[in-house]
Amino acid sequence: NAGVTQTPKFQVLKTGQSMTLQCAQDMNHNSMYWYRQDPGMGLRLIYYSASEGTTDKGEVPNGYNVSRLNKREFSLRLESAAPSQTSVYFCASNGLITDTQYFGPGTRLTVL
Amino acid sequence: AQSVAQPEDQVNVAEGNPLTVKCTYSVSGNPYLFWYVQYPNRGLQFLLKYITGDNLVKGSYGFEAEFNKSQTSFHLKKPSALVSDSALYFCAVRDRGSGTYKYIFGTGTRLKVLA
Repeated sequence: NAGVTQTPKFQVLKTGQSMTLQCAQDMNHNSMYWYRQDPGMGLRLIYYSASEGTTDKGEVPNGYNVSRLNKREFSLRLESAAPSQTSVYFCASNGLITDTQYFGPGTRLTVL
Repeated sequence: AQSVAQPEDQVNVAEGNPLTVKCTYSVSGNPYLFWYVQYPNRGLQFLLKYITGDNLVKGSYGFEAEFNKSQTSFHLKKPSALVSDSALYFCAVRDRGSGTYKYIFGTGTRLKVLA
């Protein structure tokens, strides 16, 4: 039982490049989330998916797209990276019964 | 709109002393309240939550939190701090009346326990 896994762990992009952050969970959770963590800003929700086939915007969705590929996987795509997207990105999943979020180890992204 | 405030960026406490990390919240309905801890270069880990019932909630590693509805607060406490408790602590809220599983996190409080 790996919990929530994220790939890659580190990434450096140039402005304008694109990339996809991958997230998978093996806990059979319905809800999945993408957050970004910036110093002094805490965690801010980018997008979430309450269940397979649905996605909703969070607090800071601009510049990002998501795909809930199936119940296990939820990916985050940056189409044209900008320096303002330099951050640590966390994926999380949530079980309806426990109402507790389980977080992945994070992806540290630098956009030059 | 929902919001969570953690008024202290950093809390310093001597090992063996009691610690408190403050959290206040604003939601339109009744809240679910959570505390998470983050160690360096790791994801967040669940500590404890308040859903209903007893206002004093006990969680992992000897931590507890008290829900105070009139003051809209959910402060994290521990009777005797350990150096290993040094980490970044986040308070979070979910509005149970919203019908969504959407969480709002505070900005975090860095706890430093001094030996």
